[in-house]
Amino acid sequence: EPEVTQTPSHQVTQMGQEVILRCVPISNHLYFYWYRQILGQKVEFLVSFYNNEISEKSEIFDDQFSVERPDGSNFTLKIRSTKLEDSAMYFCASSSTGGGYNEQFFGPGTRLTVL
Amino acid sequence: GQNIDQPTEMTATEGAIVQINCTYQTSGFNGLFWYQQHAGEAPTFLSYNVLDGLEEKGRFSSFLSRSKGYSYLLLKELQMKDSASYLCAVGSNYQLIWGAGTKLIIKP
Repeated sequence: EPEVTQTPSHQVTQMGQEVILRCVPISNHLYFYWYRQILGQKVEFLVSFYNNEISEKSEIFDDQFSVERPDGSNFTLKIRSTKLEDSAMYFCASSSTGGGYNEQFFGPGTRLTVL
Repeated sequence: GQNIDQPTEMTATEGAIVQINCTYQTSGFNGLFWYQQHAGEAPTFLSYNVLDGLEEKGRFSSFLSRSKGYSYLLLKELQMKDSASYLCAVGSNYQLIWGAGTKLIIKP
């Protein structure tokens, strides 16, 4: 069964450093998403991406964040200068259709710890 | 504003039935999703409702009333492995808007 994969599973970084979280969505999906979940809190939407551009982004997704689809399979989230409050689980998801009409398949997540 | 409410925690007995409620007020609505999340893991899809009524899928059923902004997830024949958080989410534009989740504790 096809699945979304994410690397690394854990990332520890120093405050102010740049991190890149990587995702490989399901191959025939066209819509890609990043969510985050701070420990003990609810899942929060960051950004959606379609046709090589951002479809929608939340207030969390400020200038410190960027997304890219560098090739036909990878989808990345970059945080330019990490802050302590960026510590969270980051989930990548993909779906075959957009508009929130269809199931989004989630990867296992990357746990980011900022020290 | 965007608001999705569900109980924080519920307890049920193995073999029993439990209903988890969700109410929502969102600016857009493309459907109501239920996801299951075990601690430290990713959400996994359980059900999707876009029209009013009941959708049944094995031991799990989900109901939607759009006019009331209300949904519930019904779990039958509870098993210990059903101990998890159950997340209600609304599809709106290109995102899912999430409730805080209901932690379901199953007792033998």
